[in-house]
This record gives sequence, structure tokens and C-alpha cells, in this order.
Amino acid sequence: EIVLTQSPGTLSLSPGERATLSCRASQSVSSSYLAWYQQKPGQAPRLLIYGASSRATGIPDRFSGSGSGTDFTLTISRLEPEDFAVYYCQQYGSSRRTFGPGTKVDIK
Amino acid sequence: QVQLVQSGAEVKKPGASVKVSCKASGYTFTSYGISWVRQAPGQGLEWMGWISAYNGNTNYAQKLQGRVTMTTDTSTSTAYMELRSLRSDDTAVYYCARDLGSSGYYQPGVYWGQGTLVTVSS
Repeated sequence: EIVLTQSPGTLSLSPGERATLSCRASQSVSSSYLAWYQQKPGQAPRLLIYGASSRATGIPDRFSGSGSGTDFTLTISRLEPEDFAVYYCQQYGSSRRTFGPGTKVDIK
Repeated sequence: QVQLVQSGAEVKKPGASVKVSCKASGYTFTSYGISWVRQAPGQGLEWMGWISAYNGNTNYAQKLQGRVTMTTDTSTSTAYMELRSLRSDDTAVYYCARDLGSSGYYQPGVYWGQGTLVTVSS
């Protein structure tokens, strides 16, 4: 099973700042089958990025994904008030999909 | 528009079973797979497994193998997740999620149900 590690655990930033979130896999993720989700309290997760760098429909272009192999990054170029949430990475390139533990982006 | 509507909250005793439903609409049900994901209170997301709505093929998380069964009813466009021998640490919100694409297994979940809270308590 591929284990995903996310860092940092919590990121405290102000609106307008840039957020950089990391996701590292215990082994190479096949074909960059890596997704990022945003989750707000009391809501279901929302798909932001798939295939490591493709934005899902309706996702603003301030969200971008990059990386390959075992190291992936989600960047939010300028934080908007609605972006403060928990972000999860997920690999779906192996028979058993796994999630990372999440990074909480909160207001500084 | 695509919608996944899940069944209501459940309270179960340890050792019992629970079956959660996920009714799909707005797309051709048999063209996409459905994953089940759970989230314990205050915790992260845990992938439980996946089922093909086309042919019923399944793939379960290793830790749940033997306790979980995922099925579909194509006549009603509904997916089901049954979890047996419930324990207190199975208390969680359970989500269904439809695959992004219709080709192959390797898809993220793009449309999500509203979640079903299952509480296991004596």
C-alpha cells in the first residue's frame, strides 16, 4: 500500500499570501495519478486537481498542482477567504487508493 | 446535474451490521465506478473501496477485507456499502463518490454524496 505524507500539518497564512502544500509518497505514483481535494467543516471533499496538475471543472486558476514520482505540490497563488480549509492528497494509481493525512490551512 | 443522495444517519450496536445507500442521478449509472470513503470524527479521509457499476467488480481496502461488501442495483441506480461486525472505531461519516472518468479503474472521485453518519455505540 502506498503511504502518503503531507506537510506541513498546519499552515497559518493571511489572505493574499501564497500557500505551498507538499505530498510525498512512499513509492512512485503510477502515471501521476495524484489528486488534491479541499474539505471544509461539515462538507464533503471537493476535487481540485487530478493527474497531478489538471484542474477539475470550475476550479479557479489560483490552484495549481505539480510533481511526479513521489513528490507532489499544491500551490494556491493568492489565498482567498474561502480557501481556508483542509487539503488532502490521494493517489489512485494503485489497486488500493490511499489518502494523505491532510494539511490544514488556517488564517494567521 | 449529477447527484448522489445517501441514506440517513444510523445508530448501531457493536457487532451489528449497517448498509448505506447512495442513489445516483443525472448520468448513466453503469458508465462510472463508485468509491466509498469514510471519515472518523475529527480525523482524515480513509478510502474503503470501489465498485464498478458496469460489472460489479470490487476492490476493497485491505484492513476492511472480509467485513465490507459493496454492491449496486442498476435498476434503481443505487450503490450500497455494507459493513459488518461493527466496532466503536467504525463510527464515522461515510461518503460515496463517483469516478471522474468512465474509462478504467484509475480515477479520482469528483461527485460526492452528502455523507451518512454511522454511530456505533452500546
